[in-house]
Amino acid sequence: GAGVSQSPSNKVTEKGKDVELRCDPISGHTALYWYRQSLGQGLEFLIYFQGNSAPDKSGLPSDRFSAERTGGSVSTLTIQRTQQEDSAVYLCASSPLAGDEQYFGPGTRLTVT
Amino acid sequence: GQNIDQPTEMTATEGAIVQINCTYQTSGFNGLFWYQQHAGEAPTFLSYNVLDGLEEKGRFSSFLSRSKGYSYLLLKELQMKDSASYLCAVRYPEKNSNSGYALNFGKGTSLLVTP
Repeated sequence: GAGVSQSPSNKVTEKGKDVELRCDPISGHTALYWYRQSLGQGLEFLIYFQGNSAPDKSGLPSDRFSAERTGGSVSTLTIQRTQQEDSAVYLCASSPLAGDEQYFGPGTRLTVT
Repeated sequence: GQNIDQPTEMTATEGAIVQINCTYQTSGFNGLFWYQQHAGEAPTFLSYNVLDGLEEKGRFSSFLSRSKGYSYLLLKELQMKDSASYLCAVRYPEKNSNSGYALNFGKGTSLLVTP
C-alpha cells in the first residue's frame, strides 16, 4: 500500500516568508509525528497527534511553528516568518497506534535564503 | 536530556560483521528502536527492543541491556547496500504528557562498507 507522502519535496523560501508543509499519513494510522533533521544533528521531535486528542506541541522550537491535522488524516506544518536556522529536512511519520513503529515519509527539504 | 550517544562514523569491509553501539539515559526508558537511513531518503525501521536480550532478524540483530543503558545493532555479512546512517532512538513516556510516544534520536552512525 501507499506509504507516508510529503509535499513539496523541496522548498526554497526567502527569510521572513511563511511556508506550509504537507503530510499524508498511511491510511488508518491514528498517530502522526513531525520531526526535523538539521545537518549534523539527530532527528528532533516537533509535534505529535493522536486521534482526536489535543496535539502535543512540546517539541515546537518557537511560536512561529504550528501544525494542524484535519479529519484525523492530513497534517500541515506551518512556519511563519522563516529564519535561516529553520533550514532543515522536515520529516513526517505515522503509526497505526501510538507506540507502534513509526513509518517515515521522504521529507521536505526547506532552505531559507 | 536523554543523551543518546552513538559513534559518528564507522567503516567495515564487505562480508564482515560490524557492531554499532548506542548508550542512553536509563531513567524513564520504555523502548529502543533502530532505523536505517540512506542518504536523501526516509528512515526505515530495523528493530525494536524493550526487554533485555538479543532480537534477531535476518542479517541484523539488536541487543539491549536496560540496566546499563546500552544497545547495539549487529550487521552480519555486510553488503555494499548497507552503507547508510543507522539511527538509535529511545522512547521516554512521561506522566501527564502525551509526548511519550515521540522518539528521541541520536545523531546517527554513518556506516561505510568498502569492497
